[in-house]
Amino acid sequence: DAKTTQPNSMESNEEEPVHLPCNHSTISGTDYIHWYRQLPSQGPEYVIHGLTSNVNNRMASLAIAEDRKSSTLILHRATLRDAAVYYCIPRGKGNTPLVFGKGTRLSVIA
Amino acid sequence: NAGVTQTPKFQVLKTGQSMTLQCAQDMNHEYMSWYRQDPGMGLRLIHYSVGAGITDQGEVPNGYNVSRSTTEDFPLRLLSAAPSQTSVYFCASSYLPGRGSEKLFFGSGTQLSVL
Repeated sequence: DAKTTQPNSMESNEEEPVHLPCNHSTISGTDYIHWYRQLPSQGPEYVIHGLTSNVNNRMASLAIAEDRKSSTLILHRATLRDAAVYYCIPRGKGNTPLVFGKGTRLSVIA
Repeated sequence: NAGVTQTPKFQVLKTGQSMTLQCAQDMNHEYMSWYRQDPGMGLRLIHYSVGAGITDQGEVPNGYNVSRSTTEDFPLRLLSAAPSQTSVYFCASSYLPGRGSEKLFFGSGTQLSVL
C-alpha cells in the first residue's frame, strides 16, 4: 500500500484559499488519488479524486504533481463549514481496501 | 436515496455481551467495509467484502466477525464485547475497485460503549 504524509493540522481564515498538501511518493502508476473529509461527528465524505490531470468539482480542486508523488487539495474560499479532517488516500485496482491515515485537521477562523 | 444505513446509532453493552451492528446499502455496491474510529484517531479497517460470500480481514479484525450473504447487507458481530471495543463504527461501500476511481460512501456511524 502506498504511504501518505499529511500535516497534522492547518489553519485558514474564512474566505481565504486553502492548500492541503499530501505526499505519496510510493504511489503506484495506476493508483488514483482520493480525498475525503470528515466533518465533526459525521462519517467521512468523498471530496474529489484524480489520476494524473488536475481535477475540479463543486467542492474543491485537486492539483497532482507531474511525477505523481504529491498532490494538493485546494479549497478556493474556505468557509466555517469546511472545518474538518481531510484524508488523502491512494486507491488502486483490484480488491485492495481503502486505508485511511490520520489526515489533516483544518481549522477555519472567522 | 437511502445510501448506506447503519443501525443502531448508539449502543451500550456490558463486557461479555454480544451484538450485531447492521449495515445496509441500496446502491448495488459489491464492495463493503467496516471501520472503527477511536477518539482523536483516524479510521482503522476491521473487515471488508468484495461480494456476497467473500470477506477478508483488515488492520484490526480481532474480536469481530462478519459475513456477507447478500449484496445489500454486511453485518458486524461482536461475540464477546470488551471495553477496548468502545468506539465509533462506520460502514462504507463502493462499486468494486476495478480501476481505483470508485468513490466510497459512508454511513453515519454507530457509537458503541462497552462498560
